[in-house]
Amino acid sequence: GAGVSQSPSNKVTEKGKDVELRCDPISGHTALYWYRQSLGQGLEFLIYFQGNSAPDKSGLPSDRFSAERTGGSVSTLTIQRTQQEDSAVYLCASSLRASKVETQYFGPGTRLLVL
Amino acid sequence: AQSVTQLDSHVSVSEGTPVLLRCNYSSSYSPSLFWYVQHPNKGLQLLLKYTSAATLVKGINGFEAEFKKSETSFHLTKPSAHMSDAAEYFCVVSGRSGGGADGLTFGKGTHLIIQP
Repeated sequence: GAGVSQSPSNKVTEKGKDVELRCDPISGHTALYWYRQSLGQGLEFLIYFQGNSAPDKSGLPSDRFSAERTGGSVSTLTIQRTQQEDSAVYLCASSLRASKVETQYFGPGTRLLVL
Repeated sequence: AQSVTQLDSHVSVSEGTPVLLRCNYSSSYSPSLFWYVQHPNKGLQLLLKYTSAATLVKGINGFEAEFKKSETSFHLTKPSAHMSDAAEYFCVVSGRSGGGADGLTFGKGTHLIIQP
């Protein structure tokens, strides 16, 4: 079946612009996660959704970052006023439900470059 | 809070010899533990996971890992390395806070190099 998909696969933007990253989870998965992978910080958790609700937003690096999920499916991660330190690969994952025993399946990522 | 320490940033082995990638974890509750692999320019793929059932876990491509609570370790092994095993390996613990129902906590990764 179809896995997690993300778009765009690559995004180059200028400092100060806003960007939107999209994630399509596996059909039927109620939990959705966003992570960031960068050379300096490794893989870090940003936010997760159970259904359309995000119980904990404390992993978001700053208030320029926001995420939403509608219809229990597609999610968008928005970065406002991008900075060069936002350059990274943004990964999305989904699982059947938010539980420590469930496997998270990862998408291919969006590579963001802020010039 | 949960944390994971991968003891080697790089491991180099010859093709056909055993592989050992070391991982220690810290968790305030009974954790689930995972190993993911990332091949160059590819997405993260689950190798295996431990969720409080059998302590010896078998995964894909001949990999296995043993959960040792007394040593807080979850080392990854494979009896015989193959060239296709060259990749980045991540040891992962579930959750960032009590309960573990939220995001995963990743180790820094171990780069596995296979010498012909």
